[in-house]
Amino acid sequence: NAGVTQTPKFRILKIGQSMTLQCAQDMNHNYMYWYRQDPGMGLKLIYYSVGAGITDKGEVPNGYNVSRSTTEDFPLRLELAAPSQTSVYFCATLLNYEQYFGPGTRLTVT
Amino acid sequence: DAKTTQPPSMDCAEGRAANLPCNHSTISGNEYVYWYRQIHSQGPQYIIHGLKNNETNEMASLIITEDRKSSTLILPHATLRDTAVYYCIVSAVSGGSYIPTFGRGTSLIVHP
Repeated sequence: NAGVTQTPKFRILKIGQSMTLQCAQDMNHNYMYWYRQDPGMGLKLIYYSVGAGITDKGEVPNGYNVSRSTTEDFPLRLELAAPSQTSVYFCATLLNYEQYFGPGTRLTVT
Repeated sequence: DAKTTQPPSMDCAEGRAANLPCNHSTISGNEYVYWYRQIHSQGPQYIIHGLKNNETNEMASLIITEDRKSSTLILPHATLRDTAVYYCIVSAVSGGSYIPTFGRGTSLIVHP
């Protein structure tokens, strides 16, 4: 049981490039979340999903897109990367009001 | 915006109890209080949660005031490995969705 896995661990993007951050879980949890965390700050919710085929915006969705075609996977897409998207990205699931977080992806946009 | 207020930093001697306060004066009747911690740059880790009764598990104790406007997380015998940022969150299930909001938390430093 791997829990929540995220790939890649690190990535450097040039301004204007695009990429997909992968998140996978093997716990069969319906709820999944994407957060970003800037240095010294708390986590901000980007998007979340309550089940396959259902997604909704969080606090800071601009510049991102998500999809949820299966229970297991919840990829986060960045189009036209900007320096303001330099951050650590965390994916999480939820069971019985307890969130389980992945190890994070550290993204730098230069 | 986060619905909680926490001190930005605290310190504690190893082996002593660490008492981390949290104010949540606008908490609603159906909202729970949750505590998570984040060690270095790892993903946050769930610690404990409660509605109105005090709770205890193998990691910590949660004391919620009778009016539910504040709470305290207690680490009874802090160790160096408890050095982390601790987040207090209040949230309820709204329309079938659970959407917790993380503030800046309290940075706890446990020193020898």
